[in-house]
Amino acid sequence: QKEVEQNSGPLSVPEGAIASLNCTYSDRGSQSFFWYRQYSGKSPELIMFIYSNGDKEDGRFTAQLNKASQYVSLLIRDSQPSDSATYLCAVNGYSSASKIIFGSGTRLSIRP
Amino acid sequence: EPEVTQTPSHQVTQMGQEVILRCVPISNHLYFYWYRQILGQKVEFLVSFYNNEISEKSEIFDDQFSVERPDGSNFTLKIRSTKLEDSAMYFCASSGTGGSNTEAFFGQGTRLTVV
Repeated sequence: QKEVEQNSGPLSVPEGAIASLNCTYSDRGSQSFFWYRQYSGKSPELIMFIYSNGDKEDGRFTAQLNKASQYVSLLIRDSQPSDSATYLCAVNGYSSASKIIFGSGTRLSIRP
Repeated sequence: EPEVTQTPSHQVTQMGQEVILRCVPISNHLYFYWYRQILGQKVEFLVSFYNNEISEKSEIFDDQFSVERPDGSNFTLKIRSTKLEDSAMYFCASSGTGGSNTEAFFGQGTRLTVV
């Protein structure tokens, strides 16, 4: 079982709609959860982090965490063409506190 | 805004040669990381470093790899005898207090090409 799993996509969403990205993780003791955005040829850029069950909102982005289901999601409201990128889910484990593990990423395409 | 800086941005080396990739983490951060990303593949954890020693390392981080913090600002990754399969983007990252409640910020990466 992969440590962090994401649907590779591509996920195509019309401009102005909500994009929903999902991630599951295997380490039940994981404590910290991150969403990074990566444009082609660039480094990962942190866009959201969440530590507690529930929702966390920051501008057009909402991260959702359900530790019981070992599930993290990212919602992007009012999607813009500039949101087209690969979105990486990352998890920092309880047993491996200094080891942030990445999923393989979901490619998001916003169509005008 | 503080940022992680990496040099060089691109390094070409012959197979079997040693390379050193350099990073300057964010100044008040305590945890430092190296990741690599082979073209078209996922971001892979190599090693984390805290309090002047390796905190965690992956199976990829074998005896060919080493890390060092030679002074108060630099953090380096050395590959002793490069192989073709070491060609990848190498990212350095740093985080504040590490543990379970902090986020890591990445440098812009070094593209290593082994020929």
